[in-house]
Amino acid sequence: EVQLLESGGGLVQPGGSLRLSCAASGFTFSSYAMSWVRQAPGKGLEWVSGISGSGGSTHYADSVKGRFTISRDNSKNTLYLQINNLRAEDTAVYYCAKDPDPSNWYFDLWGRGTLVTVSS
Amino acid sequence: QLVLTQSPSASASLGASVKLTCTLSSGHSNYAIAWHQQQPEKAPRYLMKLNSDGSHTKGDGIPDRFSGSSSGAERYLTISSLQSEDEADYYCQTWGTGIRVFGGGTKLTVL
Repeated sequence: EVQLLESGGGLVQPGGSLRLSCAASGFTFSSYAMSWVRQAPGKGLEWVSGISGSGGSTHYADSVKGRFTISRDNSKNTLYLQINNLRAEDTAVYYCAKDPDPSNWYFDLWGRGTLVTVSS
Repeated sequence: QLVLTQSPSASASLGASVKLTCTLSSGHSNYAIAWHQQQPEKAPRYLMKLNSDGSHTKGDGIPDRFSGSSSGAERYLTISSLQSEDEADYYCQTWGTGIRVFGGGTKLTVL
């Protein structure tokens, strides 16, 4: 079955750090670019970061540049998001999502999400 | 600047049809978009990719009731024979060099 499964969310204090993981299965993980998308409570979807299939190219939304780092381990079929210096406004459900091919940067597969809550 | 604009809400009756609109910002009228559905308390689901010429590619298992069309900078999602489970938030999404962009979403209420 083709699926993405996020983990690593939780309650973190402001200024803390967290690493999210997304385990992929059912497809050739290294062939596809991947992204992280977040959704704050009651709000819309916000693209956060993307990475190419090889991991050699990464992109970030301006709102998270310098604090978030996306990476992947193709030998483990896993995508990561390192989040540092967490702020209250980072509270959200974080989804990983897959691109369909290198020329089209939309998402044809979504994970179920993991909740990050930043609070003291 | 690449921006997608959606109406915040829409409503239609059970069994009727509804047409949701996503508008691309000036200078980007030839961009393709994707439509995603998010039912309450669920993860988003990919519905279709929609090109500027109106051609579209739907995701696996997406019913024929869902279709897409385009006109200039407008991209449309039409849902016919509305069912209760179609009550959801609908997001359009596009991309540029190094970025992906979402519209603000339209909350569809099925009356």
